[in-house]
Amino acid sequence: GENVEQHPSTLSVQEGDSAVIKCTYSDSASNYFPWYKQELGKGPQLIIDIRSNVGEKKDQRIAVTLNKTAKHFSLHITETQPEDSAVYFCAASAQAGTALIFGKGTTLSVSS
Amino acid sequence: EPEVTQTPSHQVTQMGQEVILRCVPISNHLYFYWYRQILGQKVEFLVSFYNNEISEKSEIFDDQFSVERPDGSNFTLKIRSTKLEDSAMYFCASSVGPGEMRGYTFGSGTRLTVV
Repeated sequence: GENVEQHPSTLSVQEGDSAVIKCTYSDSASNYFPWYKQELGKGPQLIIDIRSNVGEKKDQRIAVTLNKTAKHFSLHITETQPEDSAVYFCAASAQAGTALIFGKGTTLSVSS
Repeated sequence: EPEVTQTPSHQVTQMGQEVILRCVPISNHLYFYWYRQILGQKVEFLVSFYNNEISEKSEIFDDQFSVERPDGSNFTLKIRSTKLEDSAMYFCASSVGPGEMRGYTFGSGTRLTVV
């Protein structure tokens, strides 16, 4: 089955800096790659996603890149703000209706 | 914005007791899911449900677990005889339907504590 590895497990940046979180996946059949932000005591909230027919997607300060050949995808947050502090999870899925397989999460701390 | 609603937010139960966790998925969604997150660990898939039957389940989802859609709006997870290691956050999620993953939405979770 699918296995998703995520690095780093913790990331501390200064406000205004960029943050990059990287994930790799094992199943070449996976074609949907969402990123979730989880704040304390809440459920995962989708922040951006990408499908396998796209190499890069951007939404304001957040961007995701996908390299299908290498089976890795990354989250980029620019101009970080203290409110970006949270746990971020990457995930992968083969098709609609099937399980999302999550990475272990990255705790991002943005200090002002 | 449409939400997935879970109740209760917290549940404390004695080991060996049965618990039922409840979820109201987004109304036009067709796929329903339960996930589990043990404190400090990653979110783990338990089960998916489509067209009134289980479509996929993980090895975690053993015989003590069951799911049901008792009416047109609720989706429940039953743990028949709880164990200490069942203590976790349980998240319900729903998604739109075949070919569309974009609407995959999680609820806020139920924190289950088994004592």
